[in-house]
Amino acid sequence: DVKVTQSSRYLVKRTGEKVFLECVQDMDHENMFWYRQDPGLGLRLIYFSYDVKMKEKGDIPEGYSVSREKKERFSLILESASTNQTSMYLCASSLRQNTEAFFGQGTRLTVV
Amino acid sequence: AQSVTQLGSHVSVSEGALVLLRCNYSSSVPPYLFWYVQYPNQGLQLLLKYTSAATLVKGINGFEAEFKKSETSFHLTKPSAHMSDAAEYFCAVSEQGGSYIPTFGRGTSLIVHP
Repeated sequence: DVKVTQSSRYLVKRTGEKVFLECVQDMDHENMFWYRQDPGLGLRLIYFSYDVKMKEKGDIPEGYSVSREKKERFSLILESASTNQTSMYLCASSLRQNTEAFFGQGTRLTVV
Repeated sequence: AQSVTQLGSHVSVSEGALVLLRCNYSSSVPPYLFWYVQYPNQGLQLLLKYTSAATLVKGINGFEAEFKKSETSFHLTKPSAHMSDAAEYFCAVSEQGGSYIPTFGRGTSLIVHP
């Protein structure tokens, strides 16, 4: 069974903290994505990666960075967390362009 | 550039009634189209996908969708709603030969009344 695992379901962090969200997939997928989900706004792409050490900015990259040192792992980093980054974060992976994305369970991050 | 519009942020139906969730897309090349479902506090899972084979696509849990090129639509239907169908539904598009990044609609929340 295919699996995308996000390291935390719920996180509470303080303003200004550096936050790491980890995502691991066991399907040998080339593509990995980070989205944030907010009510009424759907899913917005933060960053994506199509290969190890390769990354591209999505629609809302400001305040975020990513790391992909190994094919199976894609990390999202909030350099200095702010309250407007309180959101649900979803990681996904896909094998090829025309195949579906597989999603993790999501991390609900609250910044106080 | 590709985009997706889901008409109606909320759709309310009675149990046993027809479910119709609307999705219109914009794409400069033939698209791949997907419907995903999200249950509370979970990630998204695939309901069905269109990848240029049959225009009527059947998915899991009795859902199906029809690709209509002339209307640039990919509406999701189910003949008879169950209480367990209450969830958030997302339509997504990616372009053949273009970016492999799926673009998602804003989602439609399906409410099922007893």
